[in-house]
Amino acid sequence: GAVVSQHPSRVICKSGTSVKIECRSLDFQATTMFWYRQFPKQSLMLMATSNEGSKATYEQGVEKDKFLINHASLTLSTLTVTSAHPEDSSFYICSAISSGLSYEQYFGPGTRLTVT
Amino acid sequence: AQSVSQHNHHVILSEAASLELGCNYSYGGTVNLFWYVQYPGQHLQLLLKYFSGDPLVKGIKGFEAEFIKSKFSFNLRKPSVQWSDTAEYFCAVTRSNDYKLSFGAGTTVTVRA
Repeated sequence: GAVVSQHPSRVICKSGTSVKIECRSLDFQATTMFWYRQFPKQSLMLMATSNEGSKATYEQGVEKDKFLINHASLTLSTLTVTSAHPEDSSFYICSAISSGLSYEQYFGPGTRLTVT
Repeated sequence: AQSVSQHNHHVILSEAASLELGCNYSYGGTVNLFWYVQYPGQHLQLLLKYFSGDPLVKGIKGFEAEFIKSKFSFNLRKPSVQWSDTAEYFCAVTRSNDYKLSFGAGTTVTVRA
């Protein structure tokens, strides 16, 4: 089946620093990837849609200058949290859609970000 | 914007009990419907999905869901739960021809042995 990986699985950083999270589709080409944020015991909130070779589309209320998304290839999208603050601490999850399949998103295992 | 409502925040059951989780959505057009499960410490997995056709959909691990268009509902059911069904369950919706998922708030299911 389609597998999506994320790296790192956990990261702790100091306030003011930047953190990059990678999302890879391991056995398929992903024309579209999504980035979600999940707060404890809450649902997933879509942050942005990432299309290979073009700029990401951000959801309302998500700061695009703070959450930089790059989808440089059909198997890799990155999310960089710039100048991180403690309120950015969360669980970040990516998902990917295969260009050959319809409407089913395959989810990564998530990255736990803690900003101290 | 569409919204997805899950009626139960936390459900506690004993093994072998039947489970039904409610899900309603607000969008009036054609939709695609999903149920995802998140086991403790694991990533989201697709349980089942509905795009068109038979409104009774069977998924993995004995789960099924019924799409009732007139009620804007897509309730999840399992006749007899097991301890291993303890997890977080999310209902999600996309508009037809769109990839963007809108998730419900999730229901925590705890199955006691």
